[in-house]
Amino acid sequence: EDQVTQSPEALRLQEGESSSLNCSYTVSGLRGLFWYRQDPGKGPEFLFTLYSAGEEKEKERLKATLTKKESFLHITAPKPEDSATYLCAVRNTDKLIFGTGTRLQVFP
Amino acid sequence: DTGVSQNPRHKITKRGQNVTFRCDPISEHNRLYWYRQTLGQGPEFLTYFQNEAQLEKSRLLSDRFSAERPKGSFSTLEIQRTEQGDSAMYLCASSPPGLGTKIDLGNTIYFGEGSWLTVV
Repeated sequence: EDQVTQSPEALRLQEGESSSLNCSYTVSGLRGLFWYRQDPGKGPEFLFTLYSAGEEKEKERLKATLTKKESFLHITAPKPEDSATYLCAVRNTDKLIFGTGTRLQVFP
Repeated sequence: DTGVSQNPRHKITKRGQNVTFRCDPISEHNRLYWYRQTLGQGPEFLTYFQNEAQLEKSRLLSDRFSAERPKGSFSTLEIQRTEQGDSAMYLCASSPPGLGTKIDLGNTIYFGEGSWLTVV
């Protein structure tokens, strides 16, 4: 069965303290691994899509990497405005299967 | 066009009543999805349309739930005889048509802001 597991469930960081979020997955026929950011009460906001092992993408303080079994979202020198839930999802056929997310809090 | 639009954003209803949510996808996106999300969980797939055809339905979608997409434009999700367990955020998403290349295997799926349902 296709499955996505994210860790940790919650992460508290001091402003400027870099860290990584993990997304482990099992899927039959990966058609993309997606990272989304979700603020409370809002819909997920697209960040990255990764297609194949070894691929990396960056956006501001975020960098996503992909291996055959997991993906990492690296956050460099985070700011309080980076506080959100980060969702990982894999695509098989035509739908996304999500993990439960990592709730990130960045304190000044 | 600024994104996927959902209405209403919030709905409080009494148990047993019917509710309907509307989704307007991004212009020219032929694929439209409905997901459900409860607190502390990731979105769960409910159903998916390509143009007006409903191609897949999750087993989560009981017979009280029905979705339509007439003319392949906007979509509605109706919940009949609501139950307290239906309380959740209902998310609509859309994605553009595939290009027929490897790239389209991971076409981005864009989400709306969601419609919150509270059943009391």
